[in-house]
This record gives sequence, C-alpha cells and structure tokens, in this order.
Amino acid sequence: SYELTQPPSVSVSPGQTASITCSGDKLGDKYASWYQKKPGQSPVLVLYKDTKRPSGIPERFSGSNSGNTATLTISGTQAMDEADYYCQAWDNSLGVFGGGTKLTVL
Amino acid sequence: QVQLQESGPGLVKPSQTLSLTCTVSGGSISSGGYYWSWIRQPAGKGLEWIGRIYTRGNTNYNPSLKSRVSISVDMSKNQFSLKLSSVTAADTAVYYCARAGGDYDSSGYYYRYFDLWGRGTLVTVSS
Repeated sequence: SYELTQPPSVSVSPGQTASITCSGDKLGDKYASWYQKKPGQSPVLVLYKDTKRPSGIPERFSGSNSGNTATLTISGTQAMDEADYYCQAWDNSLGVFGGGTKLTVL
Repeated sequence: QVQLQESGPGLVKPSQTLSLTCTVSGGSISSGGYYWSWIRQPAGKGLEWIGRIYTRGNTNYNPSLKSRVSISVDMSKNQFSLKLSSVTAADTAVYYCARAGGDYDSSGYYYRYFDLWGRGTLVTVSS
C-alpha cells in the first residue's frame, strides 16, 4: 500500500521559516494536501492541489510538490502555527495520510 | 453554511460493532459531487483514513480495515454512517467525518481534498 513519510518533529524560531516534508513514491505525480491539527480541534485544510490556499489561510503558508517530495513552507512562523501537520494524497481512490509532523515554535 | 456532526455511542465493548452517523446540515448530501469520508485518530497517533462513499453508493475502504468496515448513505436523512465490526482496544480513537470536495485541473484530472470536517467523537472500546 502507498505510504507517505514525514519527519516526526520540526522546530523553528518565531519569525523564521519552517519547512515540513512529505515523501512518497512518485508523489509529484499526485496532488498533495496539507492539514493543520491542534489538540482538541478538528483538522484544518491549509493547502490543497500542492500549492493552493483555501480562503482564510494566511499567505505565509505555501507549498511545492515534485519528484517524491511535497513540502509545506511556513514563512514568518508565528506562535499560533504550532501544531501537528499532516500531508495527504490519493492513491488509486484510497486516501493516505502521512504520519504527521509536530511543529514547535520556540 | 454546511456543517457535519458525528453521533453514536462513546463506549463499545470488544468484539462488538462500532456504529457512527454523520449528519450533514445546511446543505444536501447529494449535491456538489462530494465524497464523504470517515477518518480517525487514536490518542497520540496520526490521522488514519477509514473509507469514503459517494452518494451513488460507490465506496472505497482502507485495505487494512476493509474486512471490518462498511460505509453507507441515507439521502432521505442527509446522513452517512460507519460500521466497524469486531472492534478491539486498538479501535479506540476520535472519529471524524469529512467531506472531500475538489475540482478539475487543466488536464481534466479531478483532484480532491478534505474541505470540511466534523468536530469528531471519541469512541472507546472497553468492557
């Protein structure tokens, strides 16, 4: 079955840029979505179709997807961005999530 | 504004069947060409996609759960439901229902993403 791999954790200082990767076989041939998950809250879509931001998501969230890796980039990271982030893709009509990355802003 | 709300027992005994319902409010479950999914998150672990249904009845299931899962839709009640049989403690999790919307790209491929989520409901499997 298809798998997506994320680093368990990423740390960033406030105001700096955070990058979270998501790796999967030929992931660049698929579309990746990214979800922000805070404790006790439902996941929130932050990027879809690799690079598209839903309305209400700040411009500091951006993305790319090429080869085997999709990347979520948060520029000018704020304390409110501290959360778990999950990448997601579809493989033969089956949904797949990455294992999640805990972003710590310190 | 469309909203999703999960409902069902919060406690299920081992070996029994977990049953949850997701009610769609503020819009029709049959409009918009959406797929309707169930996703879960055990405490301290990541998100796991369980499966999805289209209002025409087409379903897809996570291969790791396929033998125990059934998702159905009741358009008259604007609901879709999850049944997970032979549960064990490993099935203890927060269960979310979610809507997968999407669009066509320039080459005609229809891409999807989860654009709407319920608040989630905790289901504990314990005797």
